[in-house]
This record gives sequence, structure tokens and C-alpha cells, in this order.
Amino acid sequence: TQLLEQSPQFLSIQEGENLTVYCNSSSVFSSLQWYRQEPGEGPVLLVTVVTGGEVKKLKRLTFQFGDARKDSSLHITAAQPGDTGLYLCAGEESGTYKYIFGTGTRLKVLA
Amino acid sequence: NAGVTQTPKFQVLKTGQSMTLQCAQDMNHEYMSWYRQDPGMGLRLIHYSVGAGITDQGEVPNGYNVSRSTTEDFPLRLLSAAPSQTSVYFCASSRAQGQGILDEQFFGPGTRLTVL
Repeated sequence: TQLLEQSPQFLSIQEGENLTVYCNSSSVFSSLQWYRQEPGEGPVLLVTVVTGGEVKKLKRLTFQFGDARKDSSLHITAAQPGDTGLYLCAGEESGTYKYIFGTGTRLKVLA
Repeated sequence: NAGVTQTPKFQVLKTGQSMTLQCAQDMNHEYMSWYRQDPGMGLRLIHYSVGAGITDQGEVPNGYNVSRSTTEDFPLRLLSAAPSQTSVYFCASSRAQGQGILDEQFFGPGTRLTVL
């Protein structure tokens, strides 16, 4: 079974600061998704990256898929309290429809 | 559209009891799946289905059964509940693009299960 490790596990920052969350594996994934989950709810998709080296931007969030498709990062610029939540990456085992989730990064942005 | 619905929201079982967690989606998605979420472990795939009549095992299938008789429904059965199955269970659905790639997975609100 492929494993996805996320770092850091916990992050508490002040409003306006920048941050980066990492998602790493020793295995290659066909695609990778990033989700955000709020307490008592299911995860909600933020982005899907498919091509090695791909960079996607959603407003203040920038997602990058590693060239070798083994790792990914999520960068948030000028974090806001509304960014608070659990961030999860999920990699797809090639051709299987099986998505392996990372352990998650719990972000708290203080006003 | 109700999206993905799960029932019940909360459940307490005694060791050895059986029960079925219900999941339904109204988006005509081919793909449905069940995950469990435990503190510090993210979500782990239990079982998944790429269409009616087709199911397959995920990372942690032991102690759970599934069936997919219709596109809309994907129930998860606990055969003989154990304390280790205490967790939050999420059902998800998605369109399948082909070649193993999914569109956005839509998750239900979860079922919090406690096994005493």
C-alpha cells in the first residue's frame, strides 16, 4: 500500500502570514487531489493535479505536483481565519480508482 | 439535489452487534466509496464500487461488507462490531473519467460510530 505523509501535522499562524503544506510519498501517483475538511463535515475538493510539474492557482492558494508525481505542495498566501481547517492530500494509485489519503495538516489562522 | 446522504449520523453499538450504514447519492455517479477517519490517520479506504454490481476492497476491508445493487445506493455492513471499528465513516461518490481517474469526490456528512 502506498503511503502519503503530510507535514507539518499542525500549524498555527497569524492572519496575513504565508504557509506551505507538503505531501510526500516514495510512490508515483497518477493524480493527486487536495481537500479541506471542517469539523463535523466531509472533505471538500480544492484541486486535482494530474501532470508532473503542474501548478494550479486558486485565488490565494497555489498547488504544485512534483515532476516525478511523488509529492505535492499547497502554498497559501496571506492566510485568513477562513482558511482554518484540516487539509488533506489524496493520491490515486495508478489506474485503480483507489485514492490514498494523507494524514492531514490541521491549520489554524488566528485573527 | 441532495448530493450524498448518510444515515444514521450517530450510532452506538455493543461488541458483536451488526448494523448497516446507509449511503445514497442522486448525482448518477458511477463511483462510490466508503472511508473511515480516525484521529491522526486521515481517511482510509474500506471498499469502493465503479458501478452497479461491481465492488472491490480498499486498504482496510476486514470486518466490513458492501453491495451495489443500484447506482444510487452503497450500504456498508458491519458483520460483528468490534471496539476497533469505532470511527467516523464517510461515504463519497464521483464520476469516473476512465483509466482510474476520478472527478471531484463528493463526501457525505459522515456517521459517527462508537462500539462499546
